Amino acid sequence: DSGVTQTPKHLITATGQRVTLRCSPRSGDLSVYWYQQSLDQGLQFLIHYYNGEERAKGNILERFSAQQFPDLHSELNLSSLELGDSALYFCASSVGPITDTQYFGPGTRLTVL
Amino acid sequence: QQQVKQSPQSLIVQKGGISIINCAYENTAFDYFPWYQQFPGKGPALLIAIRPDVSEKKEGRFTISFNKSAKQFSLHIMDSQPGDSATYFCAASPNAGGTSYGKLTFGQGTILTVHP
Repeated sequence: DSGVTQTPKHLITATGQRVTLRCSPRSGDLSVYWYQQSLDQGLQFLIHYYNGEERAKGNILERFSAQQFPDLHSELNLSSLELGDSALYFCASSVGPITDTQYFGPGTRLTVL
Repeated sequence: QQQVKQSPQSLIVQKGGISIINCAYENTAFDYFPWYQQFPGKGPALLIAIRPDVSEKKEGRFTISFNKSAKQFSLHIMDSQPGDSATYFCAASPNAGGTSYGKLTFGQGTILTVHP
């Protein structure tokens, strides 16, 4: 158990809908990262937040947004969902903005029908 | 330039054998190279990591070999066990100070099966 929690574990929704994925980092970690894992694209970095501020952006679609709250939990919002958004979404956390070791949560499996 | 290429896609090894997974990168700004292990239904877990200032790092049965000039690094699993059967990902991230620091670029993964 990495200490990173993600909810929900599974999410099934329809095209066009909006969902919110939640992540709580390990105690003491200020950085949160979001990754998408799909069969064709592998593990792709989406976005990094440190202590509430966005630090780096990857291949994140405009339909997706994220934020980190004062209590350090983070939410990833996915809107206007398409079939191709079906994937595993992982959150990872690390101590600081320049800390190497990222600890991954168990993931949220999103299925868009 | 951001890609990390990993091979093989799958690997079958007998118990007690050596498993070797290779990765290559192009971006010379990469300076942190972790390996992650992922079991079905779980998130990736850090196995071992290396920086370019050393050519090899060993932790138990796991060894990373790093060749900076060739821009290649590999994971060796000695005395492979059935419990090592999992998907292994190499990754790389750029050095501190850049806007992409912390962004892990992953290889495509290797499915390792260790037969008893």
